[in-house]
Amino acid sequence: SAVISQKPSRDICQRGTSLTIQCQVDSQVTMMFWYRQQPGQSLTLIATANQGSEATYESGFVIDKFPISRPNLTFSTLTVSNMSPEDSSIYLCSVRAGMTSGSGANVLTFGAGSRLTVL
Amino acid sequence: AQSVAQPEDQVNVAEGNPLTVKCTYSVSGNPYLFWYVQYPNRGLQFLLKYITGDNLVKGSYGFEAEFNKSQTSFHLKKPSALVSDSALYFCAVRDSSGSARQLTFGSGTQLTVLP
Repeated sequence: SAVISQKPSRDICQRGTSLTIQCQVDSQVTMMFWYRQQPGQSLTLIATANQGSEATYESGFVIDKFPISRPNLTFSTLTVSNMSPEDSSIYLCSVRAGMTSGSGANVLTFGAGSRLTVL
Repeated sequence: AQSVAQPEDQVNVAEGNPLTVKCTYSVSGNPYLFWYVQYPNRGLQFLLKYITGDNLVKGSYGFEAEFNKSQTSFHLKKPSALVSDSALYFCAVRDSSGSARQLTFGSGTQLTVLP
C-alpha cells in the first residue's frame, strides 16, 4: 500500500495565523482525503482533493477556511486559515489503498497526522 | 444516512484474556465495515474489513471481527490480549448502495491491556 508523509508532524500556532500542512504520497493517486480528528473525538472528513479540479468539501467545511491545493498526483496541501483554539486538532491525509473497482470497499491508508495546537 | 456507534469509550483487559471492542452500525443498504487502530502519535492503520461472504473476518495482529446482520454489529475480538494491543480503535462503515461518498467513523474506543 501507499506510504504517506505529512509535515509538519506538530506545531503550535498563534490565533489568527494560518498554517499549511503538506502531504506527499509515494505513488500516484486520483483522490486524496483530508480528515480532522478533534481531541477525544472521531475522524471527520474535511474534503476530497482531486488533481486538476477544485476540492470537494463536506458539510460544515468551506474553502475560505480550509483551502486545498493538488498540483499533481502525489502531493496535496491543506491550509488552516485564520486559526482559533477550536482548530486545535490532528489533521490527517489519506488515500485509497489499491485501485480496485468498487471503491467503497477500498481500504484507506493514512499519514501519521499533523497535530496543531492553537493558542 | 449511515452511522456507527462504539458504545464504550474505554475498555480495560488483563494481558492474556480475550478482548472485545463493540461496534454497531446503521445503513440503508448493505454495509462495508472496517476496523482501524491508532497507536500514539501515529496515523490510523487498517486491521480488517467485511465486504461480503463469511461473517467471521480475520485481520492483522490476530484480530478478528464477526458481522452480525440481525444485530447490526461488527465487534472486534482477539482471543488473547497483549500489552502492545493498547491503542485507540475505530470502527467505520460505508453504505454499499453508494449513497454516501465516504466512510463514517465511530467515536473510538481506547483499549488498555494491563500487564
